[in-house]
Amino acid sequence: DARVTQTPRHKVTEMGQEVTMRCQPILGHNTVFWYRQTMMQGLELLAYFRNRAPLDDSGMPKDRFSAEMPDATLATLKIQPSEPRDSAVYFCASGGTSGVYNEQFFGPGTRLTVL
Amino acid sequence: DAKTTQPNSMESNEEEPVHLPCNHSTISGTDYIHWYRQLPSQGPEYVIHGLTSNVNNRMASLAIAEDRKSSTLILHRATLRDAAVYYCILRPQRGAQKLVFGQGTRLTINP
Repeated sequence: DARVTQTPRHKVTEMGQEVTMRCQPILGHNTVFWYRQTMMQGLELLAYFRNRAPLDDSGMPKDRFSAEMPDATLATLKIQPSEPRDSAVYFCASGGTSGVYNEQFFGPGTRLTVL
Repeated sequence: DAKTTQPNSMESNEEEPVHLPCNHSTISGTDYIHWYRQLPSQGPEYVIHGLTSNVNNRMASLAIAEDRKSSTLILHRATLRDAAVYYCILRPQRGAQKLVFGQGTRLTINP
């Protein structure tokens, strides 16, 4: 049963610290998305990649956030330095190879708390 | 991104049908209608999608109005496990594959 995996599942850190979240997309999927969910803003797209190339990162605060895909099996989202307002659940999703019909498969999320 | 409007919350009873409405009056001719749901403490999951014709799958049915300005997600026999937030999302046929989530409808199922 293919699934998107995310690590860590929970992270508590102090303001100013670096945070790295990792995602393993479903094998064979070529599109990877990062979403953030908060009570106030709901689910919002931060960035997404196709074939490891960034296509859209307009939802991401550029000064502190960075997203990369070092290889086809790993996507990372890094926050440096972290701030309390970054506290949220971060979801990674992956999608199939072509077409708009492809559903996105979401991971279980990383719950980040910045103190 | 075309906007959708859904009720904030709905309530139903177990084993009864549930009809979740979605208005999308500004939909364009090439926008697909997608539904995702998010169970408590989980990531969203795909439910169903359609363009013009009604669609059925093992999870639900999607009824699309003739003018495509509204649609209804139908759960034929709700179970407690169907309690979730349901999102109606428009995705263009071409261009970005990203999902733009609204606030969704929080569905409560009573035993």
